[in-house]
Amino acid sequence: DQQVKQNSPSLSVQEGRISILNCDYTNSMFDYFLWYKKYPAEGPTFLISISSIKDKNEDGRFTVFLNKSAKHLSLHIVPSQPGDSAVYFCAASATGNTPLVFGKGTRLSVIA
Amino acid sequence: DVKVTQSSRYLVKRTGEKVFLECVQDMDHENMFWYRQDPGLGLRLIYFSYDVKMKEKGDIPEGYSVSREKKERFSLILESASTNQTSMYLCATHVGLGLGYTFGSGTRLTVV
Repeated sequence: DQQVKQNSPSLSVQEGRISILNCDYTNSMFDYFLWYKKYPAEGPTFLISISSIKDKNEDGRFTVFLNKSAKHLSLHIVPSQPGDSAVYFCAASATGNTPLVFGKGTRLSVIA
Repeated sequence: DVKVTQSSRYLVKRTGEKVFLECVQDMDHENMFWYRQDPGLGLRLIYFSYDVKMKEKGDIPEGYSVSREKKERFSLILESASTNQTSMYLCATHVGLGLGYTFGSGTRLTVV
């Protein structure tokens, strides 16, 4: 059973607008959440993370929001740029150094 | 910055061949991981290792084995390659508890 779910396989946004990527999780033991970005033929690169003791973390154009009661997190990209077009993976881990569990990814296309 | 090097970017192998995928990291990290990425399925954990000589099965270990003789090197072995093992293989190392992974560039393996 999927523990990390990204229910939107793709998202298309106009340049300059906000991109919102969503992620849901089922395992209440998860306490650390990360977003990765992946271009074709490259490995994923770390984008931003959030601990379960916080509900928001911001880094430049990227903000991650965590709603623990809903077991939901989202990544906001403002403003979206064509170079943001990539596949975005949500990942989660539980205390105890367990391996990251990844969602299936959302392909973001930013249209100029 | 941590560097994770995967020996091959592209490989084509025949069904039944024994295939070795090599991964080397340069930061003396204890934790190393092998994932495969397939369209619509995200990143799935094959095997991981938290120390030399140590290995743990991930979610999809069938048809694979691993070797960790030295801390910096973690090899994935396809004992008898099959066409359903055609995929992008990603090696990663873990900086520490609660921190993100650094991935290699990936090996795109095609089994014909």
